[in-house]
Amino acid sequence: AQSVSQHNHHVILSEAASLELGCNYSYGGTVNLFWYVQYPGQHLQLLLKYFSGDPLVKGIKGFEAEFIKSKFSFNLRKPSVQWSDTAEYFCAASLRNFGNEKLTFGTGTRLTIIP
Amino acid sequence: DAGVIQSPRHEVTEMGQEVTLRCKPISGHDYLFWYRQTMMRGLELLIYFNNNVPIDDSGMPEDRFSAKMPNASFSTLKIQPSEPRDSAVYFCASSPSWGRTEAFFGQGTRLTVV
Repeated sequence: AQSVSQHNHHVILSEAASLELGCNYSYGGTVNLFWYVQYPGQHLQLLLKYFSGDPLVKGIKGFEAEFIKSKFSFNLRKPSVQWSDTAEYFCAASLRNFGNEKLTFGTGTRLTIIP
Repeated sequence: DAGVIQSPRHEVTEMGQEVTLRCKPISGHDYLFWYRQTMMRGLELLIYFNNNVPIDDSGMPEDRFSAKMPNASFSTLKIQPSEPRDSAVYFCASSPSWGRTEAFFGQGTRLTVV
């Protein structure tokens, strides 16, 4: 079955620390990969996405993610976090088959940044 | 475009009552998704539509849940009768022709069943 795994449930960092959140997917076929962010009390917003091409994807707010096909991974990174990055982060994946796709989310990682 | 619009934003109802959640997708989007978010289970896909047709409802928890999309600009998720364990945030999302784009989420409806 298709699945997305996020191994870090809650990460606590100080401001200016570097961030890496893990994401692994289990799909047979070509996948689209996404990271969404959910700030407290708000809806999900797209941080970045990968469809094809350069495996290093840059998103908004200084975030980036690297697609490593051999490891089935799509980890999210940011070199220096800010207090405003406190939020929940979701990795998601879908199969690139027209008409037969659904977006599957990981369980999310709660990120808390300490000023 | 105003984005995906959900109503109501908050709903408090008594156990046994019927609850209807509404969603207006972004104009021109072919796909519509209903998700449920809880602390215990995270984000779960309940059902999705393509061109108003339900494609996969395997995530709908039980027969008390039903979803319709009578036209391209409106969808409903109904729970009848509601139970306390249905308390969650329900998100609607829409997407253009799937394949190389993301889903756009509404603000969600926070449902509390007492």
